[in-house]
Amino acid sequence: DTAVSQTPKYLVTQMGNDKSIKCEQNLGHDTMYWYKQDSKKFLKIMFSYNNKELIINETVPNRFSPKSPDKAHLNLHINSLELGDSAVYFCASNPGWSSYEQYFGPGTRLTVT
Amino acid sequence: GIQVEQSPPDLILQEGANSTLRCNFSDSVNNLQWFHQNPWGQLINLFYIPSGTKQNGRLSATTVATERYSLLYISSSQTTDSGVYFCAVERYGDSWGKLQFGAGTQVVVTP
Repeated sequence: DTAVSQTPKYLVTQMGNDKSIKCEQNLGHDTMYWYKQDSKKFLKIMFSYNNKELIINETVPNRFSPKSPDKAHLNLHINSLELGDSAVYFCASNPGWSSYEQYFGPGTRLTVT
Repeated sequence: GIQVEQSPPDLILQEGANSTLRCNFSDSVNNLQWFHQNPWGQLINLFYIPSGTKQNGRLSATTVATERYSLLYISSSQTTDSGVYFCAVERYGDSWGKLQFGAGTQVVVTP
C-alpha cells in the first residue's frame, strides 16, 4: 500500500498551459507539503497545509496555488507554465507539526516545452 | 535562514568499502533527517535523528546537536547504495516541519 502517492508521475506540457498535480496520503497525517527539486537536485519547500489550512507559503510565484480539499489530499495547480517550472515536484506528509519524520511521495517530473 | 552543508559533494566507492558522509548546520535544530534518493528518483527515509545515534542494518547515523553536525555511516557498501544522500533540518524555533535541505552527496558504488 502506497503511503504518499502522486499523480501523474510524468507531465509534459507547453508553455502557457495550466496543469495540476495531485497528492494523497493514507497515513492519517495532519500536515502535508510540496517541495520542488530543480535540475541540480536542490530541494526546496514550497507550501505546507495542516488539516486543510495553509501554514507555510514560501516565496513562490502566484501562478502556483495549492489546494487541500481534506487533510488526506493536497493538490498543486500551476497557471501559465514557464520553462523554469520544469522540475520534479514532491509531496510529503508528517503526523503533526515540527519534530516529526516526513514521508515523501514518488515525485512528479514536470517538463515544460 | 539556516545553512546546511554536506560533504563530500561526490563519493566513489568500491563495493565493500566503508564511508562517512557529513552534514553541518549553522543553527540549532529540532528536526534532522537523512534521505537516500535512489537512481529512480524516490526519496527514501533513512533516519530521523535530531540527536543521538541510530543504526539500521549497514547504515548508522550520529547527530551531535550541540556541535551542529550529523554523520551518516555506510558500511560494506553495495551497488544499491548508489544515489544521492540528503540531510535536511528544521531550524529550532521554526515549526510545522519546515525542512531545509543540503545540496546532497552523490554516491557511486562500483562493483
